[in-house]
Amino acid sequence: DAMVIQNPRYQVTQFGKPVTLSCSQTLNHNVMYWYQQKSSQAPKLLFHYYDKDFNNEADTPDNFQSRRPNTSFCFLDIRSPGLGDAAMYLCATSRSRITQFSGIGETQYFGPGTRLLVL
Amino acid sequence: DQQVKQNSPSLSVQEGRISILNCDYTNSMFDYFLWYKKYPAEGPTFLISISSIKDKNEDGRFTVFLNKSAKHLSLHIVPSQPGDSAVYFCAARENTGFQKLVFGTGTRLLVSP
Repeated sequence: DAMVIQNPRYQVTQFGKPVTLSCSQTLNHNVMYWYQQKSSQAPKLLFHYYDKDFNNEADTPDNFQSRRPNTSFCFLDIRSPGLGDAAMYLCATSRSRITQFSGIGETQYFGPGTRLLVL
Repeated sequence: DQQVKQNSPSLSVQEGRISILNCDYTNSMFDYFLWYKKYPAEGPTFLISISSIKDKNEDGRFTVFLNKSAKHLSLHIVPSQPGDSAVYFCAARENTGFQKLVFGTGTRLLVSP
């Protein structure tokens, strides 16, 4: 029944060692999002994909990359993790983009998150 | 610069009483406001939303109130139940063509029997 699945749930990596977090969805949604949430802070959007169209937030560091090989899967790559990248990483999906006059319609569905620890 | 603020990190309420969670925002361009609920080890789940053109939306025990002039919204839970104990995130939507949500830092609600 799981709709948005994130693997692994916990990831430990070493300072500077590349790491990849995985997200998959069974909802067939067009849009997939990656958020970073540090302790006691708000989830912060890193980027999103609309189908294969990648959209980066202006303040997302270059160290963070993403891939979406198909509708179901999306990956978050951290090329050289620093201690400051330790956080919960949340993946979310939504059905489609919205037009200016559309209602709340489809909201975002979140996975359980992957907690990243950098040693 | 936080556009969505939840100033109370935690709230404790007795079962059966009302829980009121507050949220303030600064961006007048937000068109929808949402509340998400998060249990430990789970992702946030959508709870209730309100359009910026409304001032109240009700769904069962949950009611959200919006005061646009004060840029303030609140979530009321009546009556509160122990199963409502969770972290509640306020979020606001920027209508940029996709669902960009700006989140607050969350309020941890504890409902005691």
